[in-house]
Amino acid sequence: DTAVSQTPKYLVTQMGNDKSIKCEQNLGHDTMYWYKQDSKKFLKIMFSYNNKELIINETVPNRFSPKSPDKAHLNLHINSLELGDSAVYFCASSQEGLGTLNEQFFGPGTRLTVL
Amino acid sequence: SQKIEQNSEALNIQEGKTATLTCNYTNYSPAYLQWYRQDPGRGPVFLLLIRENEKEKRKERLKVTFDTTLKQSLFHITASQPADSATYLCALESVSDSWGKLQFGAGTQVVVTP
Repeated sequence: DTAVSQTPKYLVTQMGNDKSIKCEQNLGHDTMYWYKQDSKKFLKIMFSYNNKELIINETVPNRFSPKSPDKAHLNLHINSLELGDSAVYFCASSQEGLGTLNEQFFGPGTRLTVL
Repeated sequence: SQKIEQNSEALNIQEGKTATLTCNYTNYSPAYLQWYRQDPGRGPVFLLLIRENEKEKRKERLKVTFDTTLKQSLFHITASQPADSATYLCALESVSDSWGKLQFGAGTQVVVTP
């Protein structure tokens, strides 16, 4: 059973298009995240949701909009795609709180290529 | 500004030896530090967590130390095997940040040769 899954795995699109990436976790975690890993392999947090509530919102262009329909799902919608958006996007989840290990479980990543 | 630095050069090591990786940080008050492993084309996988009041943690052939005075963590892989070849990332959560807000280093690639 896949713990954190993302679709699609690869996404190739033209500049200016709008696209979405979906993420689902079956671990029963309360918190989900989106990360961006650029060509230099730097993994940077973008957003985090806890029980469908936005708790981390880093300096990300407002073309990026996360949506959490329930605590098992966190989707990422990107409007007006730009060349610089090309990267690998990772979804992750964790169970935050006292007494937990706070480890994050990552999905397999979505490689987005903007042409 | 806050920085997390890991050796950018790949660490080449012979099978059976101990690999030691360094994670240095500046302008952080870490609540804890985590180490992850990332294989090509895959997401990071959690390995170990060490809290700011702990000096050392072990898990099988892995050992992590944490020196908040030096602002440094060392990650050791003892009796290294070719299967340990991967990129290893350190990540910090600061006491002043939201729960779960991890800041990652750029990672160090380890290559274990038979």
